[in-house]
Parts: sequence; C-alpha cells; structure tokens
Amino acid sequence: EAGVAQSPRYKIIEKRQSVAFWCNPISGHATLYWYQQILGQGPKLLIQFQNNGVVDDSQLPKDRFSAERLKGVDSTLKIQPAKLEDSAVYLCASSLGHTQYFGPGTRLTVL
Amino acid sequence: DQQVKQNSPSLSVQEGRISILNCDYTNSMFDYFLWYKKYPAEGPTFLISISSIKDKNEDGRFTVFLNKSAKHLSLHIVPSQPGDSAVYFCAASKGSGGSNYKLTFGKGTLLTVNP
Repeated sequence: EAGVAQSPRYKIIEKRQSVAFWCNPISGHATLYWYQQILGQGPKLLIQFQNNGVVDDSQLPKDRFSAERLKGVDSTLKIQPAKLEDSAVYLCASSLGHTQYFGPGTRLTVL
Repeated sequence: DQQVKQNSPSLSVQEGRISILNCDYTNSMFDYFLWYKKYPAEGPTFLISISSIKDKNEDGRFTVFLNKSAKHLSLHIVPSQPGDSAVYFCAASKGSGGSNYKLTFGKGTLLTVNP
C-alpha cells in the first residue's frame, strides 16, 4: 500500500514570495491534515479536511495561508506572501480513524 | 498552553536495556493517545496507541501504559536497539465522532541507544 506522498521535499524562497505544497493521501482515506512543524516543536495542525470539506482551520493564518482539496483526494497548501517565521517542515497526513499516517514532509526555508 | 508535555528533551540508554519515555497531558477530554517515531528528514511513523478505556497496550518490544488519574502515559521499549534511536512524539486526541480526531503533539524526546 502506497503511503502519503508529498512534493517538493525541499523549497527555498525569499520572504514575500509565494510557495505551494502538494499532498496525495493514502488511497481511501477521507480525512487529510496539514501540519506545520517548527524546529524543536511537535507538529501543529493547520487545517483538517473531511473529503473536500474543511473540518478545522482554526490555526491556519488565513491572511497568508490557504488550502484546498479538490475532488476529495489531493490537496495543496499555499503561502502568499511568505514570512521568515514560516520556515518549517510542512507535513501532510491522512487517516480513516484515530491513527494518522504522515508523508515525508516539505522543508521550507524562507530567506 | 502546552496540553501535551514531554519534559525530557533527550534520553540515552544502552543497547539491550529498557527505554522509558514519558508524557503528561492536562486536558481530561483526551481519550486516545498515540506514540510516533521520527527519523531525520522523514515524516513521523505511527508506533503504538492506547484508548482511555485501557491502561496498557503491548506490541512486540513496545508497551504503552496509561495512568488516567495522573494524566500520564509512558512508552517502554524492551530491549532497546540502536535502530530505535529517533525522536519520539506523544500525541493525544479527543474523539468527537466520525473521523474528526485532531491530534495534539508534545515537543518530542530524542532517544539515543548506544551500542
């Protein structure tokens, strides 16, 4: 069974530029999550989708972050414009129930 | 407000001995707990979980213990192997029906198993 796929694995941009991350969840998993993990911290939930609807986006900085999950499968997370403090690993996860399965993450560096 | 706390940033043990990783939580609404292992440049990998209706769950070398009254859980690895060296995250969720199981993570504990 294929795991959660994410791309790109690494991205370096300058502040005020925009960036997008892509995630393909495990086949059949209705729930998809995006997390931000800052160095030395645990992952922090940004947004949760159930199929193509948003369940929880209370921690998403909506002035600069946006996410969508068209057709209830793949998802993209966008940051526009990026700030220095957005430097982090962005993790995508999917689940059927309690257990979430994570992709390898995208390491974003904002200069 | 850190609802899930892993107070030991690091732990070092000898190969073959027991590793005990600890986790405390403050939210009494949490009813499901998970441990994840993370290697550098990889995403977290699910290790073991426990529901609040149990006090112990075992899977091979890994055992998780839950003390609800103390709001404390621990992960025991016996025997520890060098390949177990990784960052271990404790996570908690409060089921609200359906698939809405939002996870709250601790900051992680770096385990080093010395040969």
